[in-house]
Amino acid sequence: QKEVEQNSGPLSVPEGAIASLNCTYSDRGSQSFFWYRQYSGKSPELIMFIYSNGDKEDGRFTAQLNKASQYVSLLIRDSQPSDSATYLCAVNNHAGGTSYGKLTFGQGTILTVHP
Amino acid sequence: DGGITQSPKYLFRKEGQNVTLSCEQNLNHDAMYWYRQDPGQGLRLIYYSQIVNDFQKGDIAEGYSVSREKKESFPLTVTSAQKNPTAFYLCASSISLAGAFTDTQYFGPGTRLTVL
Repeated sequence: QKEVEQNSGPLSVPEGAIASLNCTYSDRGSQSFFWYRQYSGKSPELIMFIYSNGDKEDGRFTAQLNKASQYVSLLIRDSQPSDSATYLCAVNNHAGGTSYGKLTFGQGTILTVHP
Repeated sequence: DGGITQSPKYLFRKEGQNVTLSCEQNLNHDAMYWYRQDPGQGLRLIYYSQIVNDFQKGDIAEGYSVSREKKESFPLTVTSAQKNPTAFYLCASSISLAGAFTDTQYFGPGTRLTVL
């Protein structure tokens, strides 16, 4: 089983719809979770991070975390063609302050928002 | 402007050559990282450093070497021992506060390496 797994995609949604991106992780000790957006040929840029169970909203983006189910998701409301990119889920396998910052990435989900 | 720079943007290597990829940051971050990304794949950690003059192997360190002589710089050498080096190489940095599990990594623009 992969340590961090994302829905395989590609995901295609119409402009204005809600895009839902999902990520599961295997390490129950994981404490923080990051979503990055990567445009084709470019480097990843941080969208948001979450470390408490529940929802965290930032503009059109909402991250949802359920540690009991080992599941984190990203919702994009009112999707725009400019949201078309690969979305990477990353998990911090932080343990006791000694491995902070070491992220494990999922393989990414390609999102296409069509007009 | 604060940020992370990588050079060159594109690099071509002949078989049997060692090449060095540059990564510099002026964010005053303690920790720096090197990742490799292959087409359609996520990022895989090559090496990371949490402090000057110290670094650790990541998940795929074989065929690579690094140094951390200055806080701002973390160059990666791709040696001839790396059998399949063609990939997109990404450098990242983070503040690396002890115990801060919200530590966020920020990425440079990347170097695309191609073996001829």
